Amino acid sequence: KAGVTQTPRYLIKTRGQQVTLSCSPISGHRSVSWYQQTPGQGLQFLFEYFSETQRNKGNFPGRFSGRQFSNSRSEMNVSTLELGDSALYLCASSLGTGGRTEAFFGQGTRLTVV
Amino acid sequence: LAKTTQPISMDSYEGQEVNITCSHNNIATNDYITWYQQFPSQGPRFIIQGYKTKVTNEVASLFIPADRKSSTLSLPRVSLSDTAVYYCLVGDRGAAGNKLTFGGGTRVLVKP
Repeated sequence: KAGVTQTPRYLIKTRGQQVTLSCSPISGHRSVSWYQQTPGQGLQFLFEYFSETQRNKGNFPGRFSGRQFSNSRSEMNVSTLELGDSALYLCASSLGTGGRTEAFFGQGTRLTVV
Repeated sequence: LAKTTQPISMDSYEGQEVNITCSHNNIATNDYITWYQQFPSQGPRFIIQGYKTKVTNEVASLFIPADRKSSTLSLPRVSLSDTAVYYCLVGDRGAAGNKLTFGGGTRVLVKP
C-alpha cells in the first residue's frame, strides 16, 4: 500500500512569506502528526490531528498552524516566515492513538527560508 | 513522557552485532518502548516496539529488563546500509496521542 506522501519535497521561500505543506496519510489512518527537524534542535513535535480535531500541540508560536480534512489529509501552514524556520518538516500517520500504534513517516518537505 | 538517554554515537563493522542501550529511569507503568531508524533527509522508520522482556522481529531484537528502566536494541550482523541514526522513544501513546518525543538519537556508523 502507498506510504505517507508529503508535498512538495523541496521549497524555497523568502522571509515574511507564508507556506503551506501537505500530507496524505496511509489509507485508513486517521491520525496525522507533524514534526520539525533541524540540526540544532533535533526532531520536535508540532501538532497532531485525529478525525479533523487537533489533539496535541507542541511548543511552537502561533505562526505554525494546521488542519485536517475529512479524508484525513492534513496541511500545515507557517506564516511570516523567519530564517530559523528552515528545516525538514515531517508528517507521520497512524491508525489511531493507542499505545501500540506504529507511526509511519513521510520523506518530509525541506523548507529553506532566504 | 519519560526522558531517554542514549549514546551519541557508535562505530561497528560489517557482520557484527550492534547493541544500543537506552536509559529511561522514570518510565511509567503504561509506557511502551519504541525504536526508530532515520537516514539523512528521510523520515524516521519504525523498527521495533516492546513493553517488557524480549521482542524480536525480522530486523532487530529489543531486550527489556524486569525493572524496565533501560532497554537494548540489538541489530544482528549489521551491514553498511544500517548506518543511520537510531532513536529510542518511551511513552504512553494512548494518553499523549501521537506526540512522540524524540531524544538526541544514536548515530551508528558501520564500517567495511
